[in-house]
Amino acid sequence: GNSVTQMEGPVTLSEEAFLTINCTYTATGYPSLFWYVQYPGEGLQLLLKATKADDKGSNKGFEATYRKETTSFHLEKGSVQVSDSAVYFCALWGHAGNNRKLIWGLGTSLAVNP
Amino acid sequence: GAVVSQHPSWVICKSGTSVKIECRSLDFQATTMFWYRQFPKQSLMLMATSNEGSKATYEQGVEKDKFLINHASLTLSTLTVTSAHPEDSSFYICSARDRVRGQSGANVLTFGAGSRLTVL
Repeated sequence: GNSVTQMEGPVTLSEEAFLTINCTYTATGYPSLFWYVQYPGEGLQLLLKATKADDKGSNKGFEATYRKETTSFHLEKGSVQVSDSAVYFCALWGHAGNNRKLIWGLGTSLAVNP
Repeated sequence: GAVVSQHPSWVICKSGTSVKIECRSLDFQATTMFWYRQFPKQSLMLMATSNEGSKATYEQGVEKDKFLINHASLTLSTLTVTSAHPEDSSFYICSARDRVRGQSGANVLTFGAGSRLTVL
């Protein structure tokens, strides 16, 4: 079945550092890919998404490119802020048969220090 | 934006009792709601998909009689953990798909903040 493998955390960075959180997937067909973020005490929020190969999702300075050749959807941000401290989840939505549901990575906790 | 309210945010109960968790879409209609369970340092596990006015579809390995799901209206779904035991202690999260936006195929879900259940 479909699966998502996400870089383990926690990740600790200083403000203005470059962030990369790796995410790779296994899926049949052409899934949609997502990054969700969970700030402390809040529900999961969609950060960005991409629905086909070579699409780039972006939001709040974060970017991720759907790479079918490497089955990856790595999350990047050029300059993190303290307010980016949260848990980040990579997920995919399959489009075939029993795969029409979100499959999640384990989540990566990010702490940004001033 | 779309908001999903989940209540209670945390609950402690005695073994053998039942606990109900509510999930409400506050400013949109949700034809489909999803219930997840998350163990510490593990990923979210989909438990069931509930569609308004029909029976929930449970994932393999999830006990239907243990986790009762009701989706009686377009804005409310409930999860009842019946005869709870310590192994049911977990973080339960609901999400909802907007009836209107969902039709565009966006597959964007709005999540509740989760409910922490501790069974003594």
